[in-house]
Amino acid sequence: AQKVTQAQTEISVVEKEDVTLDCVYETRDTTYYLFWYKQPPSGELVFLIRRNSFDEQNEISGRYSWNFQKSTSSFNFTITASQVVDSAVYFCALSEAVGANAGKSTFGDGTTLTVKP
Amino acid sequence: NAGVTQTPKFRILKIGQSMTLQCTQDMNHNYMYWYRQDPGMGLKLIYYSVGAGITDKGEVPNGYNVSRSTTEDFPLRLELAAPSQTSVYFCASSNRGAYEQYFGPGTRLTVT
Repeated sequence: AQKVTQAQTEISVVEKEDVTLDCVYETRDTTYYLFWYKQPPSGELVFLIRRNSFDEQNEISGRYSWNFQKSTSSFNFTITASQVVDSAVYFCALSEAVGANAGKSTFGDGTTLTVKP
Repeated sequence: NAGVTQTPKFRILKIGQSMTLQCTQDMNHNYMYWYRQDPGMGLKLIYYSVGAGITDKGEVPNGYNVSRSTTEDFPLRLELAAPSQTSVYFCASSNRGAYEQYFGPGTRLTVT
């Protein structure tokens, strides 16, 4: 069975601080996808990034970066120089890439990030 | 592109009433999903579909039904509404082989 753990329930930082959101996953599959989604206070859910299990390259997009390490089954998300607009609930998710359950994502419980001015 | 649309945005139901939550996507995605999100909680999968005519249960299917007669539409039916079904319902879609999900704006349902 798959499992995604986001151990940090809530994080509070002051604007311009860097913050890392942790995500640890469990799966027996060798081929899978990992995702991060953002849910701002307005409530919509927005896809941020997908990472293939074969690709351990870190990804950077502006102030956002993602560190994928298969050895520790982690897919952590760092926001550099945080801003108030980064305040949201962030969900990590895992999906099999092949097989009967392909496309059926397992979500973590989310981390609520509050960035104070 | 509208993406994933859901109607209605808000609804109040009395206990025992029934209703259908509508979901439509215009991205020609194979996969569609229904989730519920209770206050302060994560997403729970109710039903999903890998293509027209194919549906499968998720984690919390009791009290709900779905159908998928077209690629675009994936309605969720609530029969005999109960207060425990008070939640925000999200519909999502994804493409085979990529699987990142695109979500609708949600329907906030209250059962009293």
